[in-house]
Amino acid sequence: DAKTTQPNSMESNEEEPVHLPCNHSTISGTDYIHWYRQLPSQGPEYVIHGLTSNVNNRMASLAIAEDRKSSTLILHRATLRDAAVYYCIHTTSGTYKYIFGTGTRLKVLA
Amino acid sequence: EAQVTQNPRYLITVTGKKLTVTCSQNMNHEYMSWYRQDPGLGLRQIYYSMNVEVTDKGDVPEGYKVSRKEKRNFPLILESPSPNQTSLYFCASSRKYNQKSETQYFGPGTRLLVL
Repeated sequence: DAKTTQPNSMESNEEEPVHLPCNHSTISGTDYIHWYRQLPSQGPEYVIHGLTSNVNNRMASLAIAEDRKSSTLILHRATLRDAAVYYCIHTTSGTYKYIFGTGTRLKVLA
Repeated sequence: EAQVTQNPRYLITVTGKKLTVTCSQNMNHEYMSWYRQDPGLGLRQIYYSMNVEVTDKGDVPEGYKVSRKEKRNFPLILESPSPNQTSLYFCASSRKYNQKSETQYFGPGTRLLVL
């Protein structure tokens, strides 16, 4: 089954960039890498996704390794509202089943 | 407003008393899914549905049933709840089941306590 590995927690100072890493060594060639985040007391919300190329949107950037076995979510200027648990996921190859890891809890320091 | 709704939001029940948690989406999405979230274990997928009358097991299906008779609704059924099913449950939906780039939209969660 698909498995992603992320650090349990990270800290960042406000207004500084944050790089959240994820290893997904079992990903297959057609599986997209998705990032979601979960704010306290809420359901997960979409952040960004990509397949092979690096991606940017208004929330973040996603850098994908050339071999696609790892990716990094980049928050360019962390704010206090970015404090959340961040999950990277992809589908299990050949199915439409999603497996979330335990995520990275990001703490932003004022 | 496009949304996924779940009811009830909070539920306390006793072992063995059948219950249903409803999930509804108003976005005409094909794919719907149920997850449970437990401390230290993250989110784990219970069941998912690719379309009406098409469902499949996720990672932790034991003790749960689902049905998808209409596109907008995907209820989660616990026929005989046990204390180990005490958890926070999330329903999610996405537009197309066979597009792995699709974004999932999550409901607000249902907190279940089984005594």
